[in-house]
Amino acid sequence: NAGVMQNPRHLVRRRGQEARLRCSPMKGHSHVYWYRQLPEEGLKFMVYLQKENIIDESGMPKERFSAEFPKEGPSILRIQQVVRGDSAAYFCASSREAGNTEAFFGQGTRLTVV
Amino acid sequence: AQSVTQLDSQVPVFEEAPVELRCNYSSSVSVYLFWYVQYPNQGLQLLLKYLSGSTLVKGINGFEAEFNKSQTSFHLRKPSVHISDTAEYFCAVSEPSGTYKYIFGTGTRLKVLA
Repeated sequence: NAGVMQNPRHLVRRRGQEARLRCSPMKGHSHVYWYRQLPEEGLKFMVYLQKENIIDESGMPKERFSAEFPKEGPSILRIQQVVRGDSAAYFCASSREAGNTEAFFGQGTRLTVV
Repeated sequence: AQSVTQLDSQVPVFEEAPVELRCNYSSSVSVYLFWYVQYPNQGLQLLLKYLSGSTLVKGINGFEAEFNKSQTSFHLRKPSVHISDTAEYFCAVSEPSGTYKYIFGTGTRLKVLA
């Protein structure tokens, strides 16, 4: 059973470009969570999605950031017009059920904005 | 609001010595507690978790943690560390019901010295 798969592992974008981060949850998991880890900080919650629904996006910046989890395919975190401050590690986690008894994390995508 | 404090940002320790990584939390309700480990350029791996029951929790790789409700602590311990334990350790809390977010501490970097 493969774990949570994120790609790409590393992504370099110039200021103003778009970044698309992908997350395939573990098999049988329909709940996906995105977290951001800024340098020297802990992980901060961004958004919680179920298939075709955004449940909670209270941690998402108001502009330029969006997320989706379509019926088919991976969850996508999209950052438009990236700025240097978006440089961070973005982690995806998934769980089988809603709730929080255990979430499995991917290896993350390290975004560098130059 | 919940918060997690990991007072020690870095902990150097010699190989085969014991180690304790401290975690304190604040919450007005009961919580679930977790310790995750992050090896360099890797994702987060669950070490152990406390949901209910016995306050002494044993995890993988010889780690254990004790939930102390009166002191709102969940310190992580290992009696004898190895070089391979060098990593970043994150404490996290979540509420048993109504939410699903993990609140993470800022992490403790454990460096095991030969």
